[in-house]
Amino acid sequence: QKEVEQNSGPLSVPEGAIASLNCTYSDRGSQSFFWYRQYSGKSPELIMFIYSNGDKEDGRFTAQLNKASQYVSLLIRDSQPSDSATYLCAANTQTGANNLFFGTGTRLTVIP
Amino acid sequence: DGGITQSPKYLFRKEGQNVTLSCEQNLNHDAMYWYRQDPGQGLRLIYYSQIVNDFQKGDIAEGYSVSREKKESFPLTVTSAQKNPTAFYLCASMLQANTGELFFGEGSRLTVL
Repeated sequence: QKEVEQNSGPLSVPEGAIASLNCTYSDRGSQSFFWYRQYSGKSPELIMFIYSNGDKEDGRFTAQLNKASQYVSLLIRDSQPSDSATYLCAANTQTGANNLFFGTGTRLTVIP
Repeated sequence: DGGITQSPKYLFRKEGQNVTLSCEQNLNHDAMYWYRQDPGQGLRLIYYSQIVNDFQKGDIAEGYSVSREKKESFPLTVTSAQKNPTAFYLCASMLQANTGELFFGEGSRLTVL
């Protein structure tokens, strides 16, 4: 079983809609969770992190964490074509020195 | 400006040759990482270093080597023993290991001819 799993997509949404990206993790000891955005051919950049159950909002982005269900999501409101990218979910499990695990990413396309 | 610099951006190698990818950071971060990215496989950890003069193998270390002689520098050597080295290589740093907020360089794309 993979530590972090994501639907690879592609996920297509029309411009202005809400994009919902989902991620599950296997280690209940995971403490913190990260969403990275990666444009094609570029390196990932951190856009959100969340440590506590519930929602965390930053502009058009909302991260949601449900530790009981081992589920993390990223909502993008008012999606723009510039949001088209691959979104990587990562979990920090605290189980050892090397404890940051990445999902394979979900490719999002926002259609104008 | 603080950041991570990787070089070269593109590199072509003949089979049987070793190549070294450079990674330099001026963020004063303790921890540095090397990842490999292949299409559809996400990021896989090659090596990481939490402190100068110390490093550990990641999930796919075979055929790779690293050094950490200076805090700012963490070069990766792709040796001829690496069976399928064509990939996108990403160097990253973290203020302290295990905090989870990685800062990435722009990447190095290696192609074996």
